[in-house]
Amino acid sequence: RKEVEQDPGPFNVPEGATVAFNCTYSNSASQSFFWYRQDCRKEPKLLMSVYSSGNEDGRFTAQLNRASQYISLLIRDSKLSDSATYLCVVSESSNTGKLIFGQGTTLQVKP
Amino acid sequence: NAGVTQTPKFQVLKTGQSMTLQCAQDMNHEYMSWYRQDPGMGLRLIHYSVGAGITDQGEVPNGYNVSRSTTEDFPLRLLSAAPSQTSVYFCASSTDRYEQYFGPGTRLTVT
Repeated sequence: RKEVEQDPGPFNVPEGATVAFNCTYSNSASQSFFWYRQDCRKEPKLLMSVYSSGNEDGRFTAQLNRASQYISLLIRDSKLSDSATYLCVVSESSNTGKLIFGQGTTLQVKP
Repeated sequence: NAGVTQTPKFQVLKTGQSMTLQCAQDMNHEYMSWYRQDPGMGLRLIHYSVGAGITDQGEVPNGYNVSRSTTEDFPLRLLSAAPSQTSVYFCASSTDRYEQYFGPGTRLTVT
């Protein structure tokens, strides 16, 4: 079983749609969780951290369920510019702070 | 600030050749890492460093060496290139271990 699993998609949605991505992780001792965004043939960039209480940044909402070892990302009112691959990222439990990346979920927003 | 820079952007090697991928950052970050990204695999950690003079292995270290003589530079050496090392290589740096800033990547093909 992969340490961080995501549905690779692609998710094809029209502009204005709401879309949700899910991610599961296997290490119950993981402490920190993130969503990164990666545009085609570019480097990954941090989109947002994920907190136990849930957090929102504009049209983006991230949720964490530690009991189910599940992370989600909700994008409301999708824009063409949201088309990208979204990477679910989980820290190891050790002090090294090493990150484990999911394979990514591809989103394509259509006009 | 230039951020994280990587050279070269593209490289083609023959099996058995050696080379060094360069990575530099000007943000005075202590933590630096090397990842490789392959289709369907997500980013995998090769080596990382928590400061000058300190390096450690990641998930897929075989066939690669690193050193960290300065805070700014973290080169990755391929000792004897193999076709299995064909990949996109990303260098990253961070101050708090988690919000990693990635370089633009090096696309390596080994024939």
